Amino acid sequence: AQSVAQPEDQVNVAEGNPLTVKCTYSVSGNPYLFWYVQYPNRGLQFLLKYITGDNLVKGSYGFEAEFNKSQTSFHLKKPSALVSDSALYFCAVRDIDTGFQKLVFGTGTRLLVSP
Amino acid sequence: GAGVSQTPSNKVTEKGKYVELRCDPISGHTALYWYRQSLGQGPEFLIYFQGTGAADDSGLPNDRFFAVRPEGSVSTLKIQRTERGDSAVYLCASSDDRPKTGELFFGEGSRLTVL
Repeated sequence: AQSVAQPEDQVNVAEGNPLTVKCTYSVSGNPYLFWYVQYPNRGLQFLLKYITGDNLVKGSYGFEAEFNKSQTSFHLKKPSALVSDSALYFCAVRDIDTGFQKLVFGTGTRLLVSP
Repeated sequence: GAGVSQTPSNKVTEKGKYVELRCDPISGHTALYWYRQSLGQGPEFLIYFQGTGAADDSGLPNDRFFAVRPEGSVSTLKIQRTERGDSAVYLCASSDDRPKTGELFFGEGSRLTVL
């Protein structure tokens, strides 16, 4: 089965500093990877996705993610964090066992950006 | 509407009661998903519809859970004989017909509390 792992429950960073939220994946075949963000009491919002092509993917709100096939990773990054980036971040992978239809989510990483 | 709409936003019920949760997807989206999110966890897949049919219901936890999408648009998740363990946020998402690359658009969820 396809899966993603988010090794950090929480990431703390000061405003203005770069941030990284880690994700590793386990798939058979080509990975189709996604990042979502969830603000308190809100649904999930799509940030970016990797399907094919450039390993550096740019998304919403200044976020980007780097796909690394050799390390089976898809880490989320931002050059300069904002306090408003504080939220819950989820990595997800398309499940090819079911014909790519469903997304399988990681357990999430809470990002706290301090002023 | 502009986004995925879910009603009610909050539902409190007593153990043993019947509950219906409604999802109105983005207009034109053929795919519709139900997920369940418990506190501190990532979204857990329940069921996926392509059009009117349930293409994958492998995530439904037991036969107390059922979902329909009779006209290929609005969907209703039905839970019979609710149990305290059913308490969670139920998320609905829709996407266009791109099984590999299309991102899911989520509603803000229905928070179910079973007393």
